[in-house]
Amino acid sequence: EDQVTQSPEALRLQEGESSSLNCSYTVSGLRGLFWYRQDPGKGPEFLFTLYSAGEEKEKERLKATLTKKESFLHITAPKPEDSATYLCAVQGGGGGNKLTFGTGTQLKVEL
Amino acid sequence: DGGITQSPKYLFRKEGQNVTLSCEQNLNHDAMYWYRQDPGQGLRLIYYSQIVNDFQKGDIAEGYSVSREKKESFPLTVTSAQKNPTAFYLCASNQAGNTIYFGEGSWLTVV
Repeated sequence: EDQVTQSPEALRLQEGESSSLNCSYTVSGLRGLFWYRQDPGKGPEFLFTLYSAGEEKEKERLKATLTKKESFLHITAPKPEDSATYLCAVQGGGGGNKLTFGTGTQLKVEL
Repeated sequence: DGGITQSPKYLFRKEGQNVTLSCEQNLNHDAMYWYRQDPGQGLRLIYYSQIVNDFQKGDIAEGYSVSREKKESFPLTVTSAQKNPTAFYLCASNQAGNTIYFGEGSWLTVV
């Protein structure tokens, strides 16, 4: 059974204070690791897909990295508009395209 | 605009009543999914469909039913057998092997 654990559950940063969110996973045959951003009362918004260890992707102040056991979402010089819940999900080789999600990290960036 | 449309945004269910949540996509995606989100828990898969007229149970299918008569539509019925239906419901879709995209969600409350 695929499993995803995200930490910390909640993170409070000052504007400009860089940090990282962690996503640890166990999966049978990783087909992809996904990061989504979710604002309150909204559907998740796709950010990145990573397919193999060593891969990195960037978008504005966000950078996602992947190893064989975990992924990190690095946030550089965050702004208040980066406040959201960040979800990590894995797609395993067990058939179908379904994703297994972690419980998310709730990020709040303050002025 | 292309996307996934869920309706209604808010729905109230009385005890013993069945309710249906609508999900329509105009992305020409083959696969569609229903997830349930509860506070403090990750998204959990209810049902998914990879092609028209075919669907499979996810991790928490009990008390739910679906149909896939058209490629663009995947309605979810929450039956009276679902004992704790109050939650945020998310519909998603993708083309095989590609990123899964989400709708804006529907809130269901039992009154």
